[in-house]
Amino acid sequence: EPEVTQTPSHQVTQMGQEVILRCVPISNHLYFYWYRQILGQKVEFLVSFYNNEISEKSEIFDDQFSVERPDGSNFTLKIRSTKLEDSAMYFCATRPEPGQGLEQYFGPGTRLTVT
Amino acid sequence: AQSVTQPDIHITVSEGASLELRCNYSYGATPYLFWYVQSPGQGLQLLLKYFSGDTLVQGIKGFEAEFKRSQSSFNLRKPSVHWSDAAEYFCAVGELSGTYKYIFGTGTRLKVLA
Repeated sequence: EPEVTQTPSHQVTQMGQEVILRCVPISNHLYFYWYRQILGQKVEFLVSFYNNEISEKSEIFDDQFSVERPDGSNFTLKIRSTKLEDSAMYFCATRPEPGQGLEQYFGPGTRLTVT
Repeated sequence: AQSVTQPDIHITVSEGASLELRCNYSYGATPYLFWYVQSPGQGLQLLLKYFSGDTLVQGIKGFEAEFKRSQSSFNLRKPSVHWSDAAEYFCAVGELSGTYKYIFGTGTRLKVLA
């Protein structure tokens, strides 16, 4: 069964550094999402992306964050100048083209630790 | 605004006992509803989902959930809990418009006593 994959599984970075989290969607999926889960808290929506542009973003998704699909396959989340409070699990999720279902498929997550 | 409430932060049950985890949602229409389970440090595993039709849905690992429109609830149940069920359980609502994002509840941490 096709799966969403994410790399790396764990990223440790120093405060102020930039990180890029990568997601490989299921091949026929066109809608992409990033969610964040701070340790011990609930999963929160960050951003959705469709047709090479952001379709919705939460208040968490400020100028520090950006997303792109640089090569038509990977979907990336970039965090500039990381802060301690960015430490969290980041989940990518994807879903198919319109008419093929609204269920999102989640990747295994990337644990980001900012020191 | 849409929201998902899981009133129980922690639940402790004995192995072999029955389990019910509560989930209430606030949404303008019948949403898509999901239950996920998460072991410590791990990702989200889908237990079951409700889109339409039969309001009692069966999932993996012996779990089931019942959608009750009148109560805006989607409670998760299991007749006999196993020690391996100890984990965090999240209820989620999938929006039916816009970007169809998911809204998660705050989770219920299940502890199973031997």
